[in-house]
This record gives sequence, structure tokens and C-alpha cells, in this order.
Amino acid sequence: KAGVTQTPRYLIKTRGQQVTLSCSPISGHRSVSWYQQTPGQGLQFLFEYFSETQRNKGNFPGRFSGRQFSNSRSEMNVSTLELGDSALYLCASSLEAGGRHNEQFFGPGTRLTVL
Amino acid sequence: AQSVAQPEDQVNVAEGNPLTVKCTYSVSGNPYLFWYVQYPNRGLQFLLKYITGDNLVKGSYGFEAEFNKSQTSFHLKKPSALVSDSALYFCAVFSGNTGKLIFGQGTTLQVKP
Repeated sequence: KAGVTQTPRYLIKTRGQQVTLSCSPISGHRSVSWYQQTPGQGLQFLFEYFSETQRNKGNFPGRFSGRQFSNSRSEMNVSTLELGDSALYLCASSLEAGGRHNEQFFGPGTRLTVL
Repeated sequence: AQSVAQPEDQVNVAEGNPLTVKCTYSVSGNPYLFWYVQYPNRGLQFLLKYITGDNLVKGSYGFEAEFNKSQTSFHLKKPSALVSDSALYFCAVFSGNTGKLIFGQGTTLQVKP
């Protein structure tokens, strides 16, 4: 079974631009979560989608948004990029929502650099 | 507040020696605990989880973790470390209140030959 894939793997943008990252979950997984990883803040939860609905959201500004499609693929969008948005963005999929019992399977991440 | 603490930024151990990576947690209700490992330039990989049952949980690559309710700890252990175990290790707890997986700051494990 193919793992979680994320595209692109690397991205360089300038301040003020917007960016869209894509995530394809493992086949059969309906939950997709997004995380931001930085050296200073560690792993921070962005949001979780299940069956095309946002189920949970972290403490990030409205510039960060996402969506999920009927095939469970997910995208996240960051508008008006700031230098502090430079990070590794990780996507994780699991069978069901909530994460209580089910481990999450992570993609390799998208490394975003904002200049 | 729900939280996870990994008190050591880095753990150094010689190959062949036992290793322990520490994790303590604070969560309301029953804890659902996880360990993940991250190799350079890769995403996180699941190692093991504690949901209920035996306090000693066995996982991938020879790792195990001991759940201690009284000490609110979930330390990761391996009897004999390998150089290839060198990586960044994350402890995580599922918070029923928030419905989120909360990660610790991570501990870098360095195994020297």
C-alpha cells in the first residue's frame, strides 16, 4: 500500500505570496491532519479533516486554511506569507477521525521557505 | 491543561547499551499515548501506543514503553541500542478534551559506535 504523499517537497516563496500544499492519504484513510514543525515550536497541530469536513482546528490565524476532497485528498493554503511561516508542513492520515485509538501515518512533509 | 514533556533535548548512548527516552504527560481522563520517530528529512513514523491493558507496550524495531499511571510517565526503552536508532523521538498524548494529538518537543537520540 502506498504511503502518504505530499507535494511539493520543497517550496520557496516570498513574503505576501500565498501557497497551496497537497496531501494524498493512504488508500482507505478518511482522516487527514496537518501539522507545522519548526525548531522553536516543535510540532503544532493545524487542523483535521474527515469526510470533507473540518473536525478540529489548532491555534493558527485565519491565513491558514484547508479543505478535503471526496477522495480524501487534502490541501492546505497559507495566504499572505510571513517569514515565520517557514517550516516543515506535515500531513498525516488515519483510518478514522479523532486519533484516540488509531495511529497516524505521516507523509515526508513539505519544506516551505519564506524569503 | 493537556501537555507532554520530554525533559531531555538529547540523549547519548553507546551502541549495545540500553536506552531510555523520557516522557511525562498531563491529561484529563484516560491517557492515550504514542511514540513516533523522525529520521532526517522524513516524516514521523509510528513506533508504539498505549491505549489500555498491560503497562509494558512493545513496538517496532525492538522498542518498548512502560506506562506508569502514578508517575504520569511513558518512557521509551530499548535493551540494546543501534547506531541506526539515532533519530528524533516524539512522545504524544491524545487529549479527549480537545480531540487533538499533542506532541512533546522531541528528544534527539544519538547512538555512538
